Amino acid sequence: DTGVSQDPRHKITKRGQNVTFRCDPISEHNRLYWYRQTLGQGPEFLTYFQNEAQLEKSRLLSDRFSAERPKGSFSTLEIQRTEQGDSAMYLCASSELTPEAFFGQGTRLTVV
Amino acid sequence: AQSVTQLDSQVPVFEEAPVELRCNYSSSVSVYLFWYVQYPNQGLQLLLKYLSGSTLVKGINGFEAEFNKSQTSFHLRKPSVHISDTAEYFCAVSDIGRDDKIIFGKGTRLHILP
Repeated sequence: DTGVSQDPRHKITKRGQNVTFRCDPISEHNRLYWYRQTLGQGPEFLTYFQNEAQLEKSRLLSDRFSAERPKGSFSTLEIQRTEQGDSAMYLCASSELTPEAFFGQGTRLTVV
Repeated sequence: AQSVTQLDSQVPVFEEAPVELRCNYSSSVSVYLFWYVQYPNQGLQLLLKYLSGSTLVKGINGFEAEFNKSQTSFHLRKPSVHISDTAEYFCAVSDIGRDDKIIFGKGTRLHILP
């Protein structure tokens, strides 16, 4: 069990560009979450999947954001036309039958 | 919808002194409760959890927390802190019986003073 893996760890992009992040959950975990964390704040829920089904999306997730989890394994989070306000740490977590979630190291996005 | 309030954004405490980090939650149903710790430039690590049963739960690194349903609180305590406990601590809640997400508080930064 290698834990939740996120790639890349850091991403610097110019405003207006599209970016995509990947999350590999713990093997056989059927639930996968995406959170966003800005400096000095707690993680804010964005969306989550039960297997390949996206069950809930936060109002924070504008139409520039899209998440997928094909085949219920890894997940991708894409941000189109990035804005400076998108700069944050994007955290992925997974869980199985127990309520607690296990987090990856995060992807730090900087939009310049 | 559930919510979490961590009243203290920062808590300074001398090394080897006791500490309590406060957490209050709001929910219309029964809840699961968690404390996570985040070290600089790291992801979140589960410190302890309350699912059911005894209201006093023990976690890693000598931390413990007590669930108080009447006061809707889940305060985190440690009898003697160490420099290595310097980190951000997040209280979190999840509704029981619903396919729901974990909601986090804004965090408390623990400063250990030498």
